[in-house]
Amino acid sequence: GENVEQHPSTLSVQEGDSAVIKCTYSDSASNYFPWYKQELGKGPQLIIDIRSNVGEKKDQRIAVTLNKTAKHFSLHITETQPEDSAVYFCAASIGSGYSTLTFGKGTMLLVSP
Amino acid sequence: DAGVIQSPRHEVTEMGQEVTLRCKPISGHNSLFWYRQTMMRGLELLIYFNNNVPIDDSGMPEDRFSAKMPNASFSTLKIQPSEPRDSAVYFCASSPPGQLNQPQHFGDGTRLSIL
Repeated sequence: GENVEQHPSTLSVQEGDSAVIKCTYSDSASNYFPWYKQELGKGPQLIIDIRSNVGEKKDQRIAVTLNKTAKHFSLHITETQPEDSAVYFCAASIGSGYSTLTFGKGTMLLVSP
Repeated sequence: DAGVIQSPRHEVTEMGQEVTLRCKPISGHNSLFWYRQTMMRGLELLIYFNNNVPIDDSGMPEDRFSAKMPNASFSTLKIQPSEPRDSAVYFCASSPPGQLNQPQHFGDGTRLSIL
């Protein structure tokens, strides 16, 4: 089955800096890659996703890049703010229609003012 | 708009007791997923339903776990008998119909503690 590795497990940055979280996946058939943000006591919330037919997607301060050849994808957060502090999860999915996700182990991001 | 609603938010019970977790998916969504989250194993998919039919329950850890979806707006995850190692946060998620992979929307989970 699919295996998703996520690095780093923790990341501390200063407010205003950029943060990058990287994930690799094992199954070349994976074609959908969402990123989730989980705040304390809450469920994971989708923040951005990318499909295998594009290499990059941006939404304001958040961007995701995908390298299908190398089977890795990354989340980039620019101009970080304290409210960006949370646990971030990457995931990969194979197939279409109703899809199951394989999640990475998560990255705890701490943004210090 | 109402998101995925889970109840109870917290459950503390003694081992051996039956536990029932409940989920109401987003209206119009036709896929429903149950996950378990622990520090050691992260987010694990237990079972998922499409159009109220269980599609894959290979993630259900043991026969003590069972899940049902009697209609499009309600699902339950039951543990009987419960054990301390079942302590975790259980999430329900739903996704809308579509030809391509659809985003999954998560509830805020049930934090389960088995003493």
